[in-house]
Amino acid sequence: GAGVSQSPSNKVTEKGKDVELRCDPISGHTALYWYRQSLGQGLEFLIYFQGNSAPDKSGLPSDRFSAERTGGSVSTLTIQRTQQEDSAVYLCASSSTTSGIQYFGAGTRLSVL
Amino acid sequence: AQSVSQHNHHVILSEAASLELGCNYSYGGTVNLFWYVQYPGQHLQLLLKYFSGDPLVKGIKGFEAEFIKSKFSFNLRKPSVQWSDTAEYFCAVSAPDSNYQLIWGAGTKLIIKP
Repeated sequence: GAGVSQSPSNKVTEKGKDVELRCDPISGHTALYWYRQSLGQGLEFLIYFQGNSAPDKSGLPSDRFSAERTGGSVSTLTIQRTQQEDSAVYLCASSSTTSGIQYFGAGTRLSVL
Repeated sequence: AQSVSQHNHHVILSEAASLELGCNYSYGGTVNLFWYVQYPGQHLQLLLKYFSGDPLVKGIKGFEAEFIKSKFSFNLRKPSVQWSDTAEYFCAVSAPDSNYQLIWGAGTKLIIKP
């Protein structure tokens, strides 16, 4: 079946604007992760969803970042009042089990001007 | 806290040379270990993994890695590289007490000269 799908693939926004990034995981995968890949910080964990459990938000860098996962499937990562340091590639991964292999989407490249 | 260290940030080799990329992690408990690869313009994909059992694991495209528990290492090897192996390689670990989130090394950019 289809892999992890992310949209948009590229997003350019002005400083201070809000953005929404979407992730459509592999069908049937219960675990969903968001990561960020930036030049200064490398790859870092942001947030984790597993089924209907409360998400693990321990990696979110500030309260401007939030995410939700509706119906145990599609997830949206929202960044409010974007800053230039938010510029990065935002990656989504899904897994059939929490301890299993994570499969990655192509990412959303966010540029904050 | 867990951390992952990759020793080489940039490696340049000629075709047919042997490759070894180092990876060390810090964590005292049970871990899952991974090598992911990102080819130019493509998304991250799994090269190989270690969960348990035989510490020598084989992955795609002729890559292998050896888990040495006493050294907290999971080095990636390939006996003879090809130009198509040019990519960025990431070592990562996950553990049950952190919801198996992947903790990443900084990555190694490998360039193979034809």
